Amino acid sequence: RKEVEQDPGPFNVPEGATVAFNCTYSNSASQSFFWYRQDCRKEPKLLMSVYSSGNEDGRFTAQLNRASQYISLLIRDSKLSDSATYLCVVNPKEYGNKLVFGAGTILRVKS
Amino acid sequence: GAGVSQSPRYKVAKRGQDVALRCDPISGHVSLFWYQQALGQGPEFLTYFQNEAQLDKSGLPSDRFFAERPEGSVSTLKIQRTQQEDSAVYLCASSNRASGTEAFFGQGTRLTVV
Repeated sequence: RKEVEQDPGPFNVPEGATVAFNCTYSNSASQSFFWYRQDCRKEPKLLMSVYSSGNEDGRFTAQLNRASQYISLLIRDSKLSDSATYLCVVNPKEYGNKLVFGAGTILRVKS
Repeated sequence: GAGVSQSPRYKVAKRGQDVALRCDPISGHVSLFWYQQALGQGPEFLTYFQNEAQLDKSGLPSDRFFAERPEGSVSTLKIQRTQQEDSAVYLCASSNRASGTEAFFGQGTRLTVV
């Protein structure tokens, strides 16, 4: 079983739709969680950190459920420019400082 | 420069050839990571430096892979006797925190072994 698992998609949604991605992680000792965004043939870039209390950044909302070991990302009012791969990322405490990435979920927003 | 810089951007190597990939992190960043990303996959951890010390090399797939950061800034990932399965994008990331979070990635080196 992979340490971080995501539905690869693709999620094909119309502009303006709300879309949600989930991610599960296997290491219960994990302490930091992130969503990164990766455009085609580009490097990953931090989208947002995920806090236990949940956090929002504009149209993006991230939530963490430690008991069930899953992380979610909600995107409201999808834009064409949101089309990308969304990577769920975990920093397991016992692994020191490395980040463990999921394989990513592909989002395609269409007009 | 403003971001993490990697060179070369593209490298084609014949099987058995040695290659060296360079990473220039953001100035002052303590932590430096190397990742390998195969097509359709997320980045896979290779190794981690804090300044010049290589604290974790658990992700290096074989003893053909070697990384160094002798002065705590520029890092080089070397792959000896390349094989076709080494074909991937090699990403370097740096962070200004010792905790290694919020990593900033370079654009990567796309290695193709033929």
